[in-house]
Amino acid sequence: SQTIHQWPATLVQPVGSPLSLECTVEGTSNPNLYWYRQAAGRGLQLLFYSVGIGQISSEVPQNLSASRPQDRQFILSSKKLLLSDSGFYLCAWSVRIGRAEYSTDTQYFGPGTRLTVL
Amino acid sequence: EDQVTQSPEALRLQEGESSSLNCSYTVSGLRGLFWYRQDPGKGPEFLFTLYSAGEEKEKERLKATLTKKESFLHITAPKPEDSATYLCAVQESTGGFKTIFGAGTRLFVKA
Repeated sequence: SQTIHQWPATLVQPVGSPLSLECTVEGTSNPNLYWYRQAAGRGLQLLFYSVGIGQISSEVPQNLSASRPQDRQFILSSKKLLLSDSGFYLCAWSVRIGRAEYSTDTQYFGPGTRLTVL
Repeated sequence: EDQVTQSPEALRLQEGESSSLNCSYTVSGLRGLFWYRQDPGKGPEFLFTLYSAGEEKEKERLKATLTKKESFLHITAPKPEDSATYLCAVQESTGGFKTIFGAGTRLFVKA
């Protein structure tokens, strides 16, 4: 069965410090990978998605970047954190079968990382 | 603009008191609608995917239905362990990988 891991579970960082959150998936090959941010009382906001190694698409301009150095590893980074970067960060994976316009992309989420920027 | 609106924002039920959660969506073409359960401080847990109007899916005390404009998550005889936030999300037919999430409905079931 497939398993998705995220670490750390919680993180408290000062403003201006760097950030690195890691996500790994087990039990599947060539997954689509996603980074979301969830603010209190609001829906999940898609930050980045990746369909393969080195292939990253950004949904919103922000202070963050993402990388996919290996097939089942997805990293979220920042060079200098802002107060507004605080939130609950979620990694997700999916496997799409068939052409994009004919298949539905069910996503499965990791346990999340709670980031507090002070 | 594509939107997903969930109502109510919060719902308090007594154990055994059945009810429904609503998810209204506005997309040019629906490729799929998803329901997730999220416990505090945890990632969303997948419940259902619905593809076309008229489709229904069930899992234990939960039943999801889909029309052309909305989806309902029916909870029959809920138990306190059903307390969680329920998220609805949609994928639009020309939206590539983008999934639009609603803000969720917080369900509280009292024993």
